[in-house]
Amino acid sequence: GAGVSQSPSNKVTEKGKDVELRCDPISGHTALYWYRQSLGQGLEFLIYFQGNSAPDKSGLPSDRFSAERTGGSVSTLTIQRTQQEDSAVYLCASSPGQGLGTQYFGPGTRLLVL
Amino acid sequence: QQQVKQSPQSLIVQKGGISIINCAYENTAFDYFPWYQQFPGKGPALLIAIRPDVSEKKEGRFTISFNKSAKQFSLHIMDSQPGDSATYFCAARREAGYALNFGKGTSLLVTP
Repeated sequence: GAGVSQSPSNKVTEKGKDVELRCDPISGHTALYWYRQSLGQGLEFLIYFQGNSAPDKSGLPSDRFSAERTGGSVSTLTIQRTQQEDSAVYLCASSPGQGLGTQYFGPGTRLLVL
Repeated sequence: QQQVKQSPQSLIVQKGGISIINCAYENTAFDYFPWYQQFPGKGPALLIAIRPDVSEKKEGRFTISFNKSAKQFSLHIMDSQPGDSATYFCAARREAGYALNFGKGTSLLVTP
C-alpha cells in the first residue's frame, strides 16, 4: 500500500504570495497531522485532524496559516502572505487511530520564500 | 519552548561502534517516547518506541533505555553501520494526547 504522499515536493515563492500544500494520508487513517521542520530544529506541531471532529489548531503560528481536510482524507495547508521565516519543510503524517499509534510521515514539502 | 531536549547535535562513530543519543523531558504527563529516523529527502520513520512502565526495550541493534525518575531516555545503536547514518529524533507525547513533541535531532555519521 502507498504511504503518505505530499505535493509539491518543492515550492519556491515570493514574499507576500499565498501557497497551498497538499497531503494524501494513508487510506483508512482517520488522524492527520501537519508539522513544520525548520533548519536545525525539531519538528513543530501545527494542526491535527481526527475524523469529522473540529481540528486542533493550537500549533498554528499565526492566522496566516490555515488547513482543511476534505472528506476525511486529503488535507491542504494554506499559508497566506508568506514571509521568509515561513521557509521550512512541511511534513504531513497520518495514523490509524484516534491520535494514538504510530504516526507515518510523508516526504514533506520544502518551501522557500524569497 | 522545547519540551524535549536532545543531545548531542551531531555524532561521528566508527563502523561497529556504539552510538548513544540522549533526551530529557520535563513534563511528567508524557507517557509515550518514540524515536524516529530520517534520511535526507525523506520523512521521519518510526524506529522504536517505549512507554514508562519499562526501563528498556530492544529491537535488533536498537535499544531504548528509560529512566523515569531522571526523566531521561536514550537510544543505543549497537554495531553501528554506515547505513545507520541519518538524523535521529526523540519525541514524547502525553497520555491521551496526540501531538508529538520532538527534540531538535542528532545527525549521526557512521564511518567505514
